[in-house]
Amino acid sequence: GQQLNQSPQSMFIQEGEDVSMNCTSSSIFNTWLWYKQEPGEGPVLLIALYKAGELTSNGRLTAQFGITRKDSFLNISASIPSDVGIYFCAGGNTGGFKTIFGAGTRLFVKA
Amino acid sequence: DADVTQTPRNRITKTGKRIMLECSQTKGHDRMYWYRQDPGLGLRLIYYSFDVKDINKGEISDGYSVSRQAQAKFSLSLESAIPNQTALYFCATSDDRGDKRYNEQFFGPGTRLTVL
Repeated sequence: GQQLNQSPQSMFIQEGEDVSMNCTSSSIFNTWLWYKQEPGEGPVLLIALYKAGELTSNGRLTAQFGITRKDSFLNISASIPSDVGIYFCAGGNTGGFKTIFGAGTRLFVKA
Repeated sequence: DADVTQTPRNRITKTGKRIMLECSQTKGHDRMYWYRQDPGLGLRLIYYSFDVKDINKGEISDGYSVSRQAQAKFSLSLESAIPNQTALYFCATSDDRGDKRYNEQFFGPGTRLTVL
């Protein structure tokens, strides 16, 4: 079945640093999504991407939908302590009944 | 008030017991989902429902059943709980109206289930 490879698994960074994480797949997706999960909460949608090559920002977050439709990346600029959490990528297809989630990137930010 | 609520938030039970996890939403979405989260494995789909009369198995449905009582309510049951069903369980919803936004899912806060 379809799988997403999300990397890195975890990141330990200093406040103020930029962060980059990515997600790759052997399958094509029509939609790429990025979620953030904080302790004790469910994932929250950060950015949704609908077109190959699309670059979308949400505050300090920027995500891109890869040209091949098989990958996506998320960048966080000037990280702050509240960026701590698990970031999940997800790939979706037409119909929306088989959204696949990556295993997550756990981000730690040191003040 | 939260748009997607789950009850209970925490549950400890014993092997063999029947357990029901409940999900309610006020977003008016037709689509609802149940996921399981295990450390290092991300979210895996258990069941999904596109409307009250539509129920479908996901990736890991064995040992689980669901009921869509109304547009706003979707419950997950473990008929006879076993220890490897210990996990975080999330309910999610998405909008069925046009474009590709049905892929944008809104999650509840989760239920932490421990089976002893």
